[in-house]
This record gives sequence, structure tokens and C-alpha cells, in this order.
Amino acid sequence: GQQLNQSPQSMFIQEGEDVSMNCTSSSIFNTWLWYKQEPGEGPVLLIALYKAGELTSNGRLTAQFGITRKDSFLNISASIPSDVGIYFCAGQDLKTSYDKVIFGPGTSLSVIP
Amino acid sequence: NAGVTQTPKFQVLKTGQSMTLQCAQDMNHEYMSWYRQDPGMGLRLIHYSVGAGITDQGEVPNGYNVSRSTTEDFPLRLLSAAPSQTSVYFCASSPLIGSAEAFFGQGTRLTVV
Repeated sequence: GQQLNQSPQSMFIQEGEDVSMNCTSSSIFNTWLWYKQEPGEGPVLLIALYKAGELTSNGRLTAQFGITRKDSFLNISASIPSDVGIYFCAGQDLKTSYDKVIFGPGTSLSVIP
Repeated sequence: NAGVTQTPKFQVLKTGQSMTLQCAQDMNHEYMSWYRQDPGMGLRLIHYSVGAGITDQGEVPNGYNVSRSTTEDFPLRLLSAAPSQTSVYFCASSPLIGSAEAFFGQGTRLTVV
């Protein structure tokens, strides 16, 4: 079945540093999404991308839909302690599974004050 | 706004017991789904529903049943709990059928001993 890979698996960074993480797939997706999950909570949608090459920002977060449609990237600028959590990418291929979304295994982010 | 509400938050079951995880949403969303989250594996789809009276299987449906008698409620039933069903379960809803932009509940942490 379809699988998503996320890297890195975990990150420990100093407050104020920029963060980059990515998500890759062996299949083409036409929708990419990024979610954040804080401890004890459900995932919350951060950014949704619908077009290859699209670059979208949400505050200090910027995500890109890769040109090949097989990858996506999330950057966080000037990290703060409340950025701690697990970041999940998710992909959807409307041609084959309009109602199913594939989630990656997550990137765990820790921010050291 | 309550959003997606899941109960209970924690549950311990003995092998062979049955139980129902409750999920309710107050956003009038047609599309609802159940995921399980296991370490290093992201979120995997168990069952989903595109409207009242309509349900279908996801990636890992074995051992679980669902029903959708109303738009608001989408309970998940474990028929005979097994240790392999120890996991965190999330219910989600989306405003559009096929939309990957989902609202998640806070999760139910289930342990089967």
C-alpha cells in the first residue's frame, strides 16, 4: 500500500533556531497536509497544499508541495517552546482514494529553551 | 464550540471484553472517520462514514465495527478486545466528503491486558 516517510524522526533544537522537515512518498499525491499533535491531544491541521509547487505560510510556518508531487516540506522559523509536538504529514490521491488520507509516522520536535 | 468529542479518554479492558468508543461532532459534518495511532506508525484508518447510514472499511478494520445512525454520532465497537488493539484511537470529521482537512477529537487511550 501507499506509505509516507518523514525525516527526521526526531529533532532537538535550541529556541530561536529554524526547523526543516520533509515527507516523501513513492506515489504521487494531489493533496498534501501538515498536522501538529501536542501531548495528550488530537492532531490539528496547520497547512493544506493543493497544487504542485505551491508554497503556503501560516505565521512562522511555511510548507511546500514538491514539484514531483511525491514530497512536501515544512519549515518553522525562529522556534519557540510551544512548537513542541509531533508533526505529521498526510497525503491524499483523489484519483484512487478520494475518501482516504495516508499519514506519515511523524517528526517529533523538542525545543530547548 | 465543542468540535469533535470522544469518550472515554482512558480505558483498560481485559482480553475478550467488548466496549464502545463514543464520538460526537457538532459541526454538521457528513464525513467521519476512526484512526488508531501506534508508535512510529502514524495514523491508520479503521473505518469511515460518508453520511448517516453509510459506513466503509479503512486500512485496519478487523476486530472493529461501526455504525452511523445520525450525522452527529459515529461510535466504534470493539467486539472482543485483544492486546494488539492497545492503542490511541482518534475520531475525526471533515466538512466535505473526500476532504483531507479533518478535525480530530482528543483521543481515547485504550489498554487491553
